[in-house]
Amino acid sequence: DVKVTQSSRYLVKRTGEKVFLECVQDMDHENMFWYRQDPGLGLRLIYFSYDVKMKEKGDIPEGYSVSREKKERFSLILESASTNQTSMYLCASSFLGTQGNEQFFGPGTRLTVL
Amino acid sequence: AQSVAQPEDQVNVAEGNPLTVKCTYSVSGNPYLFWYVQYPNRGLQFLLKYITGDNLVKGSYGFEAEFNKSQTSFHLKKPSALVSDSALYFCAVRRAGSYQLTFGKGTKLSVIP
Repeated sequence: DVKVTQSSRYLVKRTGEKVFLECVQDMDHENMFWYRQDPGLGLRLIYFSYDVKMKEKGDIPEGYSVSREKKERFSLILESASTNQTSMYLCASSFLGTQGNEQFFGPGTRLTVL
Repeated sequence: AQSVAQPEDQVNVAEGNPLTVKCTYSVSGNPYLFWYVQYPNRGLQFLLKYITGDNLVKGSYGFEAEFNKSQTSFHLKKPSALVSDSALYFCAVRRAGSYQLTFGKGTKLSVIP
């Protein structure tokens, strides 16, 4: 089975702190994604990566950055956390390409910014 | 641009009855369509997908979905609902040639014993 793991299930940070969310997948997937999930808004794509050191902005990249130094690991960085970044963050991965490959999701990190 | 609409925020169904969760989409070109389920405090689990071919797609846990190109719909169905099917369901679409998957806002399914 594909396994996508995220470094924390719950995280509480203060406004202005730098926050790192880590995601690791074990299926040698080329594509990796970061979403945030908010009630009534569904999932919105923040960033994705289709190769090591490659990244593309999604729908809501403002206030976030990402890093992909190794194929299996994709990090989401909040340079200066704000209260409006309180959300559930979901990482996903899939095989390369733009065909019908489904994405596999991690369990999510619920981030609270105080 | 691509978009997904799930017109019902919540669907209630009695255990043993058939269930339908609705999804319509808008995309240029050929669509790839997906259904995911999310249980409380969990990530999303893949249920089924439509890529090409037969319009009726069968997936995990007895779920199926029908692709209707003329109505741009991809409704999720199950002949007999279980209490354990209660969860949040997301429909998603990707345009052929794009990396980006666009999700609907989700439909909460409650199966009443």
